[in-house]
Amino acid sequence: AQSVTQLGSHVSVSEGALVLLRCNYSSSVPPYLFWYVQYPNQGLQLLLKYTTGATLVKGINGFEAEFKKSETSFHLTKPSAHMSDAAEYFCAVIITGTASKLTFGTGTRLQVTL
Amino acid sequence: KAGVTQTPRYLIKTRGQQVTLSCSPISGHRSVSWYQQTPGQGLQFLFEYFSETQRNKGNFPGRFSGRQFSNSRSEMNVSTLELGDSALYLCASSSGGTSGKREQYFGPGTRLTVT
Repeated sequence: AQSVTQLGSHVSVSEGALVLLRCNYSSSVPPYLFWYVQYPNQGLQLLLKYTTGATLVKGINGFEAEFKKSETSFHLTKPSAHMSDAAEYFCAVIITGTASKLTFGTGTRLQVTL
Repeated sequence: KAGVTQTPRYLIKTRGQQVTLSCSPISGHRSVSWYQQTPGQGLQFLFEYFSETQRNKGNFPGRFSGRQFSNSRSEMNVSTLELGDSALYLCASSSGGTSGKREQYFGPGTRLTVT
């Protein structure tokens, strides 16, 4: 069965520092990969997705992620953290052909300090 | 375009009762999925409806059910509530298709508390 693993349930960075949130997937077939963000008391917002094509994917709010098949990874990065980036981030996978069934990682809470 | 709306936003129920949650997808979207979010189990897929038919189902007991109407609005029902059903229930809509490529747009969720 497919799954995603997010390393680090909590990550703390200083404002202006690099943000790196890790996600590894396991799948026997090429997956579709997603990063979502959740702010307190809100639903999920899609940051970016990888389906096919270019392996470096750019998303909203300055985030990007690179699909690395050899490492089964899809890490999320942002060059310079902003206080407004503080939230919980979820990596998710869909196996092709299973329509809309997202399987989520356990989430990483990002804290941004001054 | 209006986003995904869920009603009610907050709900308190007693063990043994049943509850119905509602989700209105983005106009034109035909797929509605439901997810349960809890601190212990995280985000888990409940089921997906597409054109009034259940297309996918997660690993939840039969107490959890859903349906979709001809206007794509969806409801989920939980019967015989248990304390462990306390969760944030999220609804997501997409334009459909079976490939999984299309974005899912999430609503703000319904916070259910079972006492």
